[in-house]
Amino acid sequence: NAGVTQTPKFRVLKTGQSMTLLCAQDMNHEYMYWYRQDPGMGLRLIHYSVGEGTTAKGEVPDGYNVSRLKKQNFLLGLESAAPSQTSVYFCASSYYGASSYNSPLHFGNGTRLTVT
Amino acid sequence: AQSVTQLDSQVPVFEEAPVELRCNYSSSVSVYLFWYVQYPNQGLQLLLKYLSGSTLVESINGFEAEFNKSQTSFHLRKPSVHISDTAEYFCAVSSNTGNQFYFGTGTSLTVIP
Repeated sequence: NAGVTQTPKFRVLKTGQSMTLLCAQDMNHEYMYWYRQDPGMGLRLIHYSVGEGTTAKGEVPDGYNVSRLKKQNFLLGLESAAPSQTSVYFCASSYYGASSYNSPLHFGNGTRLTVT
Repeated sequence: AQSVTQLDSQVPVFEEAPVELRCNYSSSVSVYLFWYVQYPNQGLQLLLKYLSGSTLVESINGFEAEFNKSQTSFHLRKPSVHISDTAEYFCAVSSNTGNQFYFGTGTSLTVIP
């Protein structure tokens, strides 16, 4: 099983450029999440989705947009990249979400983004 | 919102020695607790989880964690570490009243030969 697949794995952007990160899961999970990981700060939630066609803001949503047009895909967009968005981005999914007693997260391998 | 505190950012330990990675959370509601492990250049993988029942939870590779409700802690332990345990470890919490998982800042475990 592929699980959670993120593309691309690496990307370098110049300030002001835009890009979209793609996350795909083949586990029929309802919930999907985008996190960023920065040294000393752990994982911070950017946006999440509780089902196809839904999105919600997390802890650090500014500068990012998301879309969940298909259940298996969750896209993260940067409209105008800034150096502060240099980070490693992780997508994750779970079947029932955080409020379920037995629904841990499944993670992709990450996208390393550098904004110069 | 809940918060998770991992008290040690880096833990060096000699091979075959015991280790404890500390995790405290703040919540007054029923919580679900998780430990994830991240090997270099990889995503996070679930190590173990506490949902309910026995306060001691074990994983398949020798780690265990104990849920202590009075101290709001979920410390991770292993009696004898291996070189292959070198990784970043994250404690996480969720609850039956929210949509989010909350992560600690991580503990980097380095096993020294």
